[in-house]
Amino acid sequence: GENVEQHPSTLSVQEGDSAVIKCTYSDSASNYFPWYKQELGKGPQLIIDIRSNVGEKKDQRIAVTLNKTAKHFSLHITETQPEDSAVYFCAAFLYGQNFVFGPGTRLSVLP
Amino acid sequence: GAVVSQHPSRVICKSGTSVKIECRSLDFQATTMFWYRQFPKQSLMLMATSNEGSKATYEQGVEKDKFLINHASLTLSTLTVTSAHPEDSSFYICSARDGASGGEQFFGPGTRLTVL
Repeated sequence: GENVEQHPSTLSVQEGDSAVIKCTYSDSASNYFPWYKQELGKGPQLIIDIRSNVGEKKDQRIAVTLNKTAKHFSLHITETQPEDSAVYFCAAFLYGQNFVFGPGTRLSVLP
Repeated sequence: GAVVSQHPSRVICKSGTSVKIECRSLDFQATTMFWYRQFPKQSLMLMATSNEGSKATYEQGVEKDKFLINHASLTLSTLTVTSAHPEDSSFYICSARDGASGGEQFFGPGTRLTVL
């Protein structure tokens, strides 16, 4: 079955700097890769996603890149702000099966 | 994005009682709903998957007689924790998949269960 690894587990950056979180997956058939942001005491919120037929997707300060050959995808946050502090989860999905989540990355943006 | 609501947001109960948590998809029809459990500082642990009108599929190690799941309509799923014990205290999160969008999955805000 699918296995998703996520690095780093914790990340601290200065406000205004960029943050990058990387995930690797094992099942080359997976074709949908969402990223979720979870604030303390709340449910995960979908912030961006990418499908396997696309290499990069951007939404304002957030971007996701996908390397199907290497089976990894990354979340890029530019110009980080304190409100970006949260736990971020990646996931890999193959239609008809369940999401497999990474273990999460705790991002702290220091003012 | 699509909205999933969950009720209640917090519940405190005595050991031995049962607690029901509702999950609703507000602006889309959820062909599949999921229930997760999350311990502090850990990732989401899938408990069960339910499709409307059929029995839920439970993950290994999850007691189906303790965690009753009903998915009576395309917009509502319920999780009932029966005879709750302190070890059942956790953050329970539901999720709904929009069958029309090709797999996107949206999460509810979660329910914090505390069993005394």
